[in-house]
Amino acid sequence: QLQLQESGPGLVKPSETLSLTCTVSGGSISSSSYYWGWIRQPPGKGLEWIGSIYYSGSTYYNPSLKSRVTISVDTSKNQFSLKLSSVTAADTAVYYCASLLGSAFDIWGQGTMVTVSS
Amino acid sequence: QSALTQPRSVSGSPGQSVTISCTGTSSDVGGYNYVSWYQQHPGKAPKLMIYDVSKRPSGVPDRFSGSKSGNTASLTISGLQAEDEADYYCCSYAGSYREVFGGGTKLTVL
Repeated sequence: QLQLQESGPGLVKPSETLSLTCTVSGGSISSSSYYWGWIRQPPGKGLEWIGSIYYSGSTYYNPSLKSRVTISVDTSKNQFSLKLSSVTAADTAVYYCASLLGSAFDIWGQGTMVTVSS
Repeated sequence: QSALTQPRSVSGSPGQSVTISCTGTSSDVGGYNYVSWYQQHPGKAPKLMIYDVSKRPSGVPDRFSGSKSGNTASLTISGLQAEDEADYYCCSYAGSYREVFGGGTKLTVL
């Protein structure tokens, strides 16, 4: 049974870089069936797709965030990561990682709240 | 890419049916049969309810069904139950490995 778990700092200062990691258990991140994605949800607002990655390292980003986002994969650790640079208060959100099977996010992590504040 | 358009709220009484719409464009909803729907209870992670427009993952009750016509997808919940009260989000493939979500709909069971 595939499980995903986000980890990383819950507080980031403005203009700095937000870094999160998603650890995959119960399956291999190198599975050819899956892509892996990051989604965020500001408090009281809707979901926003941030980007996706394949185990080979191919990445796909939301055009509105592309200039600030880097998603990477570490197959040896069964993890993939998110970096979001030059953060502002508008980046305050719950960040979710999820497995992408076809075009559906079928398994989600529990989410981690990241607050941007000095 | 712009968010897909959903009604902010819908409501229904137990046992009734409700339908939530999700309107996009020919570049997303209308262009691909890759619409998914997610249920989110307060403080919880979203849960996949429908994928590929009308397919249900294992374990999702058949009270939940999906359809699409043109640039609009729909989620129908029949036989409403109290536990169906939640936020619902649609999501569509938008080409070039991009995904776009709807703004979300709050379902109230009266």
